[in-house]
Amino acid sequence: SAVISQKPSRDICQRGTSLTIQCQVDSQVTMMFWYRQQPGQSLTLIATANQGSEATYESGFVIDKFPISRPNLTFSTLTVSNMSPEDSSIYLCSVEIWEGNYNEQFFGPGTRLTVL
Amino acid sequence: SQQGEEDPQALSIQEGENATMNCSYKTSINNLQWYRQNSGRGLVHLILIRSNEREKHSGRLRVTLDTSKKSSSLLITASQAADTASYFCATDPGGTSYGKLTFGQGTILTVHP
Repeated sequence: SAVISQKPSRDICQRGTSLTIQCQVDSQVTMMFWYRQQPGQSLTLIATANQGSEATYESGFVIDKFPISRPNLTFSTLTVSNMSPEDSSIYLCSVEIWEGNYNEQFFGPGTRLTVL
Repeated sequence: SQQGEEDPQALSIQEGENATMNCSYKTSINNLQWYRQNSGRGLVHLILIRSNEREKHSGRLRVTLDTSKKSSSLLITASQAADTASYFCATDPGGTSYGKLTFGQGTILTVHP
C-alpha cells in the first residue's frame, strides 16, 4: 500500500475564489488520479495526473476549471478555480500500486470543500 | 452515468449478523475493487478481485465475481458495530483506461450493537 496525505483536510471558501489541494505520496508512483465526491454521492473521476505532461480529463471536466500539476512522482496538486457552491464536494487523490500483475488503487483522506 | 449499481442502497442489521451487498456493472472489466468509507472520509481499500477469479476471502470479507452476469457481491460475516460505513464497488476496465475506476452508488451499512 501507500501512505497518502492531502492538504488542506477541509476548507470553506467564498464563491469566485480558487483553492489548490495538495496530494503527497510516500513512494514514487506512476499513476495518480483525482476524484470528486459530491454530497451524498459516489465518486467520479476528474482526471489522471500525468508526470511530465498535461493531465488527462474525463468527460465533463476541463483544465480551465480544474488545473492539475504533477511535478514529480510523489506529488500532485488540483486547483478548483472560480468556485461556486456547486463545487462543494470532497476531493480525493488516489495512486495506483502494482501488486503482482494487477493494480490496486489507494486513496488519500480527502479534502472537504464548502463554497459559500 | 455510473457504471456500477449497488443494492441495497441501505442495510441495517444487528451485530453478529452477516451483511451482503451486491454490485452490478455494464462493461467488461480487468478487476473490481471494494472500498469502505466512514462518515465522508477517505476510502479504505478492502479487496481486489481479478476478472479471472470467482471468489476471494480476506478475514471476515468474502467477495464473489460473476463476469457472465457482470455482478459482484461483498459478504461481511459476523458484523461488528465498527463495520458501520458506506461500501463502494469500483470497476477497472483495464487496457488504455487502466486505473480509471468507475464507482457504484454505494451501500450504507448500519450495524446496531
